Amino acid sequence: GDSVTQMEGPVTLSEEAFLTINCTYTATGYPSLFWYVQYPGEGLQLLLKATKADDKGSNKGFEATYRKETTSFHLEKGSVQVSDSAVYFCALRLNGGTASKLTFGTGTRLQVTL
Amino acid sequence: GAVVSQHPSRVICKSGTSVKIECRSLDFQATTMFWYRQFPKQSLMLMATSNEGSKATYEQGVEKDKFLINHASLTLSTLTVTSAHPEDSSFYICSAWYRATEAFFGQGTRLTVV
Repeated sequence: GDSVTQMEGPVTLSEEAFLTINCTYTATGYPSLFWYVQYPGEGLQLLLKATKADDKGSNKGFEATYRKETTSFHLEKGSVQVSDSAVYFCALRLNGGTASKLTFGTGTRLQVTL
Repeated sequence: GAVVSQHPSRVICKSGTSVKIECRSLDFQATTMFWYRQFPKQSLMLMATSNEGSKATYEQGVEKDKFLINHASLTLSTLTVTSAHPEDSSFYICSAWYRATEAFFGQGTRLTVV
């Protein structure tokens, strides 16, 4: 079945450090890929997405490129801030439509310190 | 922009009682909504897909009689945890697709059964 694998956390970085959170996927078709962020005690917010191979999603300094050849969608940010501390989820969606399901990775907790 | 609103954000109930959680789509209609459960420091587990005007579709291993879902209108889905027990304590999150392109999530409900 479809699945998403994320690197284990927590990831602890100093402010202004470079961030990479690895995400790989297994899917029977051609999924859309997403990164969601969850702040403590809250629901999820879409961070960025890519719908086809070689697409790059970007938002708030975060980027991820849809790599079909390596089935990956790694999240990167050049300089993290304390406010980026949260849990990050990689997810895929195989089919379109309002009834399509998201398959989530296990989440990676990021902690950024001063 | 589109918003999914979940209520209540926190609830404490006694063991054996039932608790209802509401999920509303604001400014858009959602024929399908999703209910997730999240354990501490873990990923989201899809519990069920709520379909307006028809029965919900439950994921394997989720007790239908324990977690009652009603999707009575195009903007409201409810999850009722019946005869709650401490093991039902968790963070519950709902979501819906807006225009089939972006999934919006509710703020989540922290249920504590004492």
